[in-house]
Amino acid sequence: GQSLEQPSEVTAVEGAIVQINCTYQTSGFYGLSWYQQHDGGAPTFLSYNALDGLEETGRFSSFLSRSDSYGYLLLQELQMKDSASYFCAVREDAGNKLTFGGGTRVLVKP
Amino acid sequence: DSGVTQTPKHLITATGQRVTLRCSPRSGDLSVYWYQQSLDQGLQFLIQYYNGEERAKGNILERFSAQQFPDLHSELNLSSLELGDSALYFCASAPGAGTEAFFGQGTRLTVV
Repeated sequence: GQSLEQPSEVTAVEGAIVQINCTYQTSGFYGLSWYQQHDGGAPTFLSYNALDGLEETGRFSSFLSRSDSYGYLLLQELQMKDSASYFCAVREDAGNKLTFGGGTRVLVKP
Repeated sequence: DSGVTQTPKHLITATGQRVTLRCSPRSGDLSVYWYQQSLDQGLQFLIQYYNGEERAKGNILERFSAQQFPDLHSELNLSSLELGDSALYFCASAPGAGTEAFFGQGTRLTVV
């Protein structure tokens, strides 16, 4: 079957670093994406990894290990506005069909 | 603003009814995806269209159907509605070979 596992919730204080892990098992794999979704809002794209290694975009970084079927999203210098749900998603084919994990709710406290 | 437009934003209807959700993709995007998000749940892929043709199908119920029109807008039809169909329905669009999907603001469907 197809599954993506990620923690359901993480709490941290402002300025801290949070790592959200994602393990996946899917029929196809082109890459791993991360999306952010604030309550009541639409998911917005954060990053995409097709090859092994670390991709850095400002305070957020994403890592992929294809051999381990594992990736993570690293949120640094946490800010209150980072409180949101974060979803990993596997791109299963060239057509960009995405299979999403259940999401990790990140709560940033002062 | 992602450039993807969904209407209506909110919809309240009774069990057994039929509704149509509409999505206008970003200009130039050929692919449209529909997702369902129930309360505090992840996004479940329903169906994908590419340039008017069905490309991929997920866990879409037989009571649900979709289509993409020549102008690339898409409609998701939900019939014989049940209480459990209450959810946020998102449409996303993407270029043919892009790696980023752009989501609309969603339609919140409440079945009473």
